[in-house]
Amino acid sequence: GAVVSQHPSRVICKSGTSVKIECRSLDFQATTMFWYRQFPKQSLMLMATSNEGSKATYEQGVEKDKFLINHASLTLSTLTVTSAHPEDSSFYICSAREQWWRGPTDTQYFGPGTRLTVL
Amino acid sequence: AQSVSQHNHHVILSEAASLELGCNYSYGGTVNLFWYVQYPGQHLQLLLKYFSGDPLVKGIKGFEAEFIKSKFSFNLRKPSVQWSDTAEYFCAVNAGGTGGYNKLIFGAGTRLAVHP
Repeated sequence: GAVVSQHPSRVICKSGTSVKIECRSLDFQATTMFWYRQFPKQSLMLMATSNEGSKATYEQGVEKDKFLINHASLTLSTLTVTSAHPEDSSFYICSAREQWWRGPTDTQYFGPGTRLTVL
Repeated sequence: AQSVSQHNHHVILSEAASLELGCNYSYGGTVNLFWYVQYPGQHLQLLLKYFSGDPLVKGIKGFEAEFIKSKFSFNLRKPSVQWSDTAEYFCAVNAGGTGGYNKLIFGAGTRLAVHP
């Protein structure tokens, strides 16, 4: 099956620093990757849609300058939380969608998530 | 705007009991429907999905779901649950069909606890 990895799995940083999270599709090419945020005991909230080779599309209320997304290749997308603050502490999850022209593969495969703690 | 409602936030069952988790969505056009499961400490995994065709969809681990278009529902069922089914279950909708950059809308999730 399709596998998506995230690195790191956990990160603790000081307030004001930047943190980069990587999302990789290991055995398929993903033209589209998605970044979600999950608060404790809550559902996933989409933050942005990342398309290979173009600018990410951010959901309403998500600061573009705060959460920088780069999707430079068909297997890698990165999320950088800039100048992190304690309120940015959360569980960040990425997902990857296979190239749609392979067929009805409108399925997203999820990474294991990255727990960010900002002190 | 599209939305997904999961009626039960917490469900507690004994082993061998039958399970039905409700999911309703609001969108008038073509939809793709999904159920994902998140076991404790693990990432989201796809249980089953509906794109078109037979509205009764079979998934992994004995789960099935039925798409009822007239009711905008996609309820998840399992005839006999096991302790290992303890997890959180998320219903999700991808509105607008395949292609493009359609996004998933998730329900709030249902936390299932199965007691031996």
